[in-house]
Amino acid sequence: DAGITQSPRHKVTETGTPVTLRCHQTENHRYMYWYRQDPGHGLRLIHYSYGVKDTDKGEVSDGYSVSRSKTEDFLLTLESATSSQTSVYFCAISDYDQFPFFGPGTRLTVL
Amino acid sequence: GENVEQHPSTLSVQEGDSAVIKCTYSDSASNYFPWYKQELGKRPQLIIDIRSNVGEKKDQRIAVTLNKTAKHFSLHITETQPEDSAVYFCAAKKPGAGNMLTFGGGTRLMVKP
Repeated sequence: DAGITQSPRHKVTETGTPVTLRCHQTENHRYMYWYRQDPGHGLRLIHYSYGVKDTDKGEVSDGYSVSRSKTEDFLLTLESATSSQTSVYFCAISDYDQFPFFGPGTRLTVL
Repeated sequence: GENVEQHPSTLSVQEGDSAVIKCTYSDSASNYFPWYKQELGKRPQLIIDIRSNVGEKKDQRIAVTLNKTAKHFSLHITETQPEDSAVYFCAAKKPGAGNMLTFGGGTRLMVKP
């Protein structure tokens, strides 16, 4: 599963600090996504990208921003982290006519 | 937008028994329905999917069924084994939606030896 990696894998931060999570792919896939996973809520889409510099909001985008300056990298930024953003964050990639393939996840704790 | 509901949230079965997980979706435009399996501490992985022009699909011990009229789809696992223990997620996708999925809340399946 070397086609998609996430960094860091674990992070503990304090309320009010900025946090950036990175997703890197080596598959040259067009689409990239950020999901968060919380008990009872399944996986919820935060933002997605359909090409370099082309991004759009998902269902839970408040408090998050993204950037994609290269095909292989998709960054998720929490401008000012809150405790409600404690979660497991999954990046995923897909190409035309494919279902998303997920990265290993990042566990974020906001104290 | 699309809303996917999944039941039950937890399911415990004896090894060798069958397990059934059910999902409903709200948007009749959805036409692809994948299922993901997530083992403890791991990433979700696609195990099977069904498209709206098909009523049933099988792959060894797992099968999926779709009732478009009722907007229901289900995952069936026969002859369950301990390694089937995991969280299972159903999802729905609309055409032209950038392959974005709307997920159900998940079902934790426990197979007791």
